[in-house]
Amino acid sequence: EAGVTQFPSHSVIEKGQTVTLRCDPISGHDNLYWYRRVMGKEIKFLLHFVKESKQDESGMPNNRFLAERTGGTYSTLKVQPAELEDSGVYFCASSRGLSYNEQFFGPGTRLTVL
Amino acid sequence: DAKTTQPPSMDCAEGRAANLPCNHSTISGNEYVYWYRQIHSQGPQYIIHGLKNNETNEMASLIITEDRKSSTLILPHATLRDTAVYYCIVTFPPNFGNEKLTFGTGTRLTIIP
Repeated sequence: EAGVTQFPSHSVIEKGQTVTLRCDPISGHDNLYWYRRVMGKEIKFLLHFVKESKQDESGMPNNRFLAERTGGTYSTLKVQPAELEDSGVYFCASSRGLSYNEQFFGPGTRLTVL
Repeated sequence: DAKTTQPPSMDCAEGRAANLPCNHSTISGNEYVYWYRQIHSQGPQYIIHGLKNNETNEMASLIITEDRKSSTLILPHATLRDTAVYYCIVTFPPNFGNEKLTFGTGTRLTIIP
């Protein structure tokens, strides 16, 4: 089966601009997660969707970040306006659902804000 | 989620068994132990998980102590491709609705030719 895909692989934008990251989970996976690693720090959880509903968004840093998962398929993470400290690698992961424990991660999107 | 403690780095000779320890003394009864790894610049990769029994799959074995306060991930025959950062994570299973992964600093395992 195809893995989790993320687009773009790299994005370079200027401070104040808007960027939208996309994640396509593995087909049939109800759970979708966003994580990020900034400035060489630890990978941090951002939020968790179950189908189209936000199950847990406790890790979202502030209201400049907006995540959506319309129709319960792919998800987008928009950063508006981007700040320098948003630079890092954004990972998406998916898992099938109840009793399936493994999260499958995508390759990540490297975001650079200048 | 319970906090975990891992050594920052380890070396292992190619072909030998790599034993990566993890302490999780505050683990609760419902929390599982998961291991993931991140090979350079790739997304994290699931390795194995367990609750209290030892587990084995095609990638590794997981040994959990009887009191569940520590565990060891064993890669039986390490290859150069096993060079990565290994993360020990303690978290709840999906049906608790709080299965987010909390990554620490992990152990950087280097396989020596």
